[in-house]
Amino acid sequence: DAGVTQSPTHLIKTRGQQVTLRCSPKSGHDTVSWYQQALGQGPQFIFQYYEEEERQRGNFPDRFSGHQFPNYSSELNVNALLLGDSALYLCASSLGQGANEKLFFGSGTQLSVL
Amino acid sequence: GNSVTQMEGPVTLSEEAFLTINCTYTATGYPSLFWYVQYPGEGLQLLLKATKADDKGSNKGFEATYRKETTSFHLEKGSVQVSDSAVYFCALKGSARQLTFGSGTQLTVLP
Repeated sequence: DAGVTQSPTHLIKTRGQQVTLRCSPKSGHDTVSWYQQALGQGPQFIFQYYEEEERQRGNFPDRFSGHQFPNYSSELNVNALLLGDSALYLCASSLGQGANEKLFFGSGTQLSVL
Repeated sequence: GNSVTQMEGPVTLSEEAFLTINCTYTATGYPSLFWYVQYPGEGLQLLLKATKADDKGSNKGFEATYRKETTSFHLEKGSVQVSDSAVYFCALKGSARQLTFGSGTQLTVLP
């Protein structure tokens, strides 16, 4: 049983470019959350998708957008990249949105913006 | 808003030493509390959790007790191993149902 898979594992972009990160949730999971983890910091919540809609959003600008597909996989898009967007982007999946559902995290995509 | 404050690292211990990583939180209501562990090159893994006051979460020899009176959830292990070397994150989930993490504590255990 594959866990949460993310692609690519590493990515290098330049300022002003756009990037798309991908996530396949753990089998049987229908909810996907995205987190940004800057170097030496804890992950920060970006947004959560359930039933193909954004259900919750953290304190991130509109340059960060996402999508969830009918097979529950998800994409994170970041437009007009800034140097400060360099971070590890983590995807987490769960079954439903209940308060005590267990999150499973992927290994992340390391984004470097030059 | 919700916040989590963790003991700053890095922490270096010898094998079989006692471990404590302090964690305090600020939240409205009654959050659930978590400890996650991140091994090099891997994603976060749930280590343990507690969902109400005085609950004790435990796993793999690690323990943490939800103390509402001191708003704390300190992680402890009686005898650490080299394989416990990792980054440990304290986190909470409040009414918004999103995780709020602390900044992490790097633990290195020397043989």
